[in-house]
Amino acid sequence: DSGVTQTPKHLITATGQRVTLRCSPRSGDLSVYWYQQSLDQGLQFLIQYYNGEERAKGNILERFSAQQFPDLHSELNLSSLELGDSALYFCASSAGQGPYEQYFGPGTRLTVT
Amino acid sequence: GENVEQHPSTLSVQEGDSAVIKCTYSDSASNYFPWYKQELGKRPQLIIDIRSNVGEKKDQRIAVTLNKTAKHFSLHITETQPEDSAVYFCAASQEGGNNRLAFGKGNQVVVIP
Repeated sequence: DSGVTQTPKHLITATGQRVTLRCSPRSGDLSVYWYQQSLDQGLQFLIQYYNGEERAKGNILERFSAQQFPDLHSELNLSSLELGDSALYFCASSAGQGPYEQYFGPGTRLTVT
Repeated sequence: GENVEQHPSTLSVQEGDSAVIKCTYSDSASNYFPWYKQELGKRPQLIIDIRSNVGEKKDQRIAVTLNKTAKHFSLHITETQPEDSAVYFCAASQEGGNNRLAFGKGNQVVVIP
C-alpha cells in the first residue's frame, strides 16, 4: 500500500457526461500528479499540483481540469466524455516540487459507453 | 520534450536467470531515472531510481545502471522469481525543468518456473 488513495475504483458513464475523480496524497506529501494509462498510449502525464498551485502541465485536454484543495487532496474533472477517454487514471504523490519518488494510488478505471 | 524508449517489449526468462531491460532517452538535461513495476490491474510501484550523478545503484536483486554519454539506463534483475513477472516502466525527468516524468511504453517480463 503506497498511502495514496483514490476514489472511486471503477466508474462507468455515458458519452457526453462529466465525472470527478478524487485523490488523497500520502501524509506529508505536497505534490499530486495525475496520469492517464491506456493500452496504446502507456502512462501519460496530465498535470501536477504542488501545495495547491498548478506546477506542471502535460497532455491534458481542455475538457479536463484539476485542482488541489487546502487539505491537499486533488480532484480531476473530466467533461464531455468520449469513448476514447476510457482508461485507467492514476494519481501519484511526492514530498517536494520535483518529480522524484512519486508513489501511485490504486487508480480509477473509467469506462465510457 | 523528452522521449523514452524501452527494449525489448517482451522478455521471457527462466526462473533463476537474470533479466535486463534497457531504456534510451533523448534529452541530455534529464537527471532523474526511476523504474516502476506494474502487475496486472495494479498500480505502478517504484522499485528503484537513479540520479545523474551516480552510475549504478543496487537494491538486493535489482540494480540500475546509467550511461549519460550514450543516454541509456538499464534495469538488471538477478535470480529472477515468478513474482518478478510484471510490466516494467522506465521514466526520465529533469529537475528544475518541466517536472514531468516521461515514461517508456513498458516491458512485459515473464519468468518461466
